[in-house]
Formats: sequence, structure tokens, C-alpha cells
Amino acid sequence: ETGVTQTPRHLVMGMTNKKSLKCEQHLGHNAMYWYKQSAKKPLELMFVYNFKEQTENNSVPSRFSPECPNSSHLFLHLHTLQPEDSALYLCASSQDEWGGSGYTFGSGTRLTVV
Amino acid sequence: AQSVTQLGSHVSVSEGALVLLRCNYSSSVPPYLFWYVQYPNQGLQLLLKYTSAATLVKGINGFEAEFKKSETSFHLTKPSAHMSDAAEYFCAVKGYGGSQGNLIFGKGTKLSVKP
Repeated sequence: ETGVTQTPRHLVMGMTNKKSLKCEQHLGHNAMYWYKQSAKKPLELMFVYNFKEQTENNSVPSRFSPECPNSSHLFLHLHTLQPEDSALYLCASSQDEWGGSGYTFGSGTRLTVV
Repeated sequence: AQSVTQLGSHVSVSEGALVLLRCNYSSSVPPYLFWYVQYPNQGLQLLLKYTSAATLVKGINGFEAEFKKSETSFHLTKPSAHMSDAAEYFCAVKGYGGSQGNLIFGKGTKLSVKP
């Protein structure tokens, strides 16, 4: 158990579906992140939240909608995705927004869009 | 701007042999550097980090990395590879910019260990 829990572990969805990814941490961290990991590409930072406030949106298409109701929970709402959105979505947290102590990652959600 | 380059997308070693995974960084400020490991179907796990203290950093599972400013490198080594070391390894540098910093990752190096 890494301290950051992501559900579901696997998700298959059609392009017209709406689904949500969930991330939860009880490490007392104040910053949370969504990363996208695609084959043969570097990890891509999508969103950053610090103390529940979004501090970075890395030019992510609007079909991805994040939500951070509190410092322990982070969601990624998905709708009308494209096949190229198939990837491993990783959630991470850090003590603070500065992130100098490194991140703790969850095990990821493997998303397949059909 | 900060960036990292990992040389070699795939490295293969024999069990018991030296492991050397290369990482070069670019940073306009003193860098904070990290190595992460990812096992199949899992997230990333922190191996070690350099935060401007000792230049030789020891991490978990017998890995260590040496920060060399003159070479802008932060290579990861392990004296003797185990089968359990087979995984993908990512070098990362802390970024600066925008409203705050974040980790910028290299493309990763997949390590295979032959019996």
C-alpha cells in the first residue's frame, strides 16, 4: 500500500460514456496531482491542486474535468473521450505545493477508450 | 527551463552485474533531482532524491546516484543486479515556473535482468 489509493484499477469506456477516476490519500499531504502516462511518452502533468485549489491546468482538453473536494480526495471526471486518451492515469500527492520532498504515487487507473 | 534526458530506453544486464542508468539534466537553478522505479501495473515509487546536500545519494534496494554538476548528470547505479530489479526507471527534476514547481520526468529506461 503506497498511501495513495486509486480506483478503479482498470476502466473500459465507450467514447460517449461518462466516468470518474478517484484518488485518495491519508498522508496529510496538501498537494495532489494528476499525471497521464502513455506508451513511449514522458509522464504528462495534467492538473495540480494545492489546499484544494487548482494551481495548474496543463492545457488539458475540457473532456477531462478535475475535482478536489478536500485535501485528501481528488477526482478526474471523464466524458466523450477519444481512443488516444487511453493511458495509465496516475495520481500523486506531496507534502506541499513545492514538492521538494518528492511525490507519492498511486498505482494508477488503466483506462481504455473503445 | 528544467529538463531531463535519459540515455537508453532499454538496458539489459546479467544478474550480479553492475547496473548503470544514465540521466542528464538541464536546469537554470540548483536542481532537485529524483529517481523513481515503476514495476509492471504499478505506480511510481521513489528510489532516492538529491536536494543539494551530499552529492552521493543512497536510496532503497541498494541503489545510489551521484550528482555531478560539471557533467550535469545524476546517474543511477547498483553494484549487483537482482532479478527483482527488472522494472522501468524514471529520472525527474523539480521544475520552477508558473504558480509553483512540479516534477519533470524523463522518458524512462526499462531495465531487464538476465539470469
